[in-house]
Amino acid sequence: EDKVVQSPLSLVVHEGDTVTLNCSYEVTNFRSLLWYKQEKKAPTFLFMLTSSGIEKKSGRLSSILDKKELSSILNITATQTGDSAIYLCAALYNTNAGKSTFGDGTTLTVKP
Amino acid sequence: SQTIHQWPATLVQPVGSPLSLECTVEGTSNPNLYWYRQAAGRGLQLLFYSVGIGQISSEVPQNLSASRPQDRQFILSSKKLLLSDSGFYLCAWRGGTGSHGNTIYFGEGSWLTVV
Repeated sequence: EDKVVQSPLSLVVHEGDTVTLNCSYEVTNFRSLLWYKQEKKAPTFLFMLTSSGIEKKSGRLSSILDKKELSSILNITATQTGDSAIYLCAALYNTNAGKSTFGDGTTLTVKP
Repeated sequence: SQTIHQWPATLVQPVGSPLSLECTVEGTSNPNLYWYRQAAGRGLQLLFYSVGIGQISSEVPQNLSASRPQDRQFILSSKKLLLSDSGFYLCAWRGGTGSHGNTIYFGEGSWLTVV
C-alpha cells in the first residue's frame, strides 16, 4: 500500500533554532514530492521536487529530494514564531489522474 | 494566473440535512480537480477526483458525492449529512502540463460542522 510518513510528528523549538523535517515515501509511479505549510487554514505550497539531489530554496526554507532513499527533508534556518504551523508532505503520482498521498504532517511550534 | 475558490468558508448543518460545497478554478482549462477532507490533526484524505466534465472517481466509500457540471467547476454534495462528515474540506487543482502538472494547489477550504 502506498504511504507517506513524516517525522517527527511534532517539534518544539526556540526562535533562532534550525529544524529539519523528514518525509519518506513508498508509492508506485512517483512523479513529484510536494511540501506545504498549513496554518489553521488551507495548505500553502512551498516546494515541488522531482529531481534527486537538487536543493530548492526560498528564504530560510530549503528542501531536497533523495530518490534513492525515497525521502525528502525540509530545513528551516533561524526559525521565527511565524514558522509555527503544520508542514505537510505529499507524493504525487505520475498518472493522468494525478492523485496524491499525504503524510500526517509535522506540527512545528516555535517559541519566542 | 490561475486561482481557485471554494465556498462557503464555514457552515454548521444539522444531521440529516443536505450539503453543497462549490469550487471554481480560473485561468486554466481542463484541470484535474480534487476534493480532500482533513480530520483534526491529520493529513489530507482524497475523496474524489475528476479529469474532465462529468468524470468523477471516488476514492473512499462514503456519504458524499461529487459532480463536475462545467470544466472549471467542482461540487461536493450530500443528501443527508452524518456527524462523521464534520471536517475541513479542500478543493484542489492540478494542471495537465508543465510545472503546474507536478503540483497541487488548494482552495481556501470549507469548515463543516454537523450538529
